[in-house]
Amino acid sequence: GENVEQHPSTLSVQEGDSAVIKCTYSDSASNYFPWYKQELGKGPQLIIDIRSNVGEKKDQRIAVTLNKTAKHFSLHITETQPEDSAVYFCAAIDRDDKIIFGKGTRLHILP
Amino acid sequence: DGGITQSPKYLFRKEGQNVTLSCEQNLNHDAMYWYRQDPGQGLRLIYYSHIVNDFQKGDIAEGYSVSREKKESFPLTVTSAQKNPTAFYLCASTAEGLSGDTQYFGPGTRLTVL
Repeated sequence: GENVEQHPSTLSVQEGDSAVIKCTYSDSASNYFPWYKQELGKGPQLIIDIRSNVGEKKDQRIAVTLNKTAKHFSLHITETQPEDSAVYFCAAIDRDDKIIFGKGTRLHILP
Repeated sequence: DGGITQSPKYLFRKEGQNVTLSCEQNLNHDAMYWYRQDPGQGLRLIYYSHIVNDFQKGDIAEGYSVSREKKESFPLTVTSAQKNPTAFYLCASTAEGLSGDTQYFGPGTRLTVL
C-alpha cells in the first residue's frame, strides 16, 4: 500500500524567513496530495492541495510543488508569521481512495 | 471546523469500560471517517463509511466499533478490547468519498483511560 514519509519532524524558522516541508510517497498511482495544518487542540484544516496533472500551485504565502517522477512533493511557506506555528501534515490518496498521512512536522516560528 | 461536531471534547474512562464518541455533520456528506492520532504517529484510519448502513475497517479497527444509521451521524465505540485507547480521536467527512475529495475534520475528542 501507499507509504508517505514526511521530513523534518520539527522545524524552527525565524519570523519572516521561509519554511519548507518535504514528503515522499511510494504509490505511483497516487494522484491527489493535500496538506493540512493542525493547531493545538484542534482538528486538521486543509490549507492547500495539488493534483498530479500540475507541478506547482500557489495560494498567497503558501505553495506546493509536485515531482511525480521522483514521487515527492513539498510545502513552501514564505514570509512566515507567528500564526504559522502549528503541525503540518502531508497526505496522498492511495489506489483504494484512502488518504494516507505523513507523521507531521511541528513548525515553530521564532520571534 | 467545517460543520462537523464531536463530543465530548475531553473524555475519561476507567479500564474495562466501553465508551462512545459522538460525531455529527451537517454538510450533507456521504462519507465519514474516524482517525486516531498519537504523538509522532500522524493520523491512522480506524473505520470509514461511504454510505448509510455500510462501513469498512481501516488500518487499526481492532477494539473499536461503529454504526452508520443516519447520514449525519457516525459514532465510534471504544471497547474494553482496545489495549491502548488513550489518544486524540478525529472524525472527518467528505462529500462522496471519492479520490480527491477534500476531507473536513471535526475538533477532536481527547480520550484518557484512567
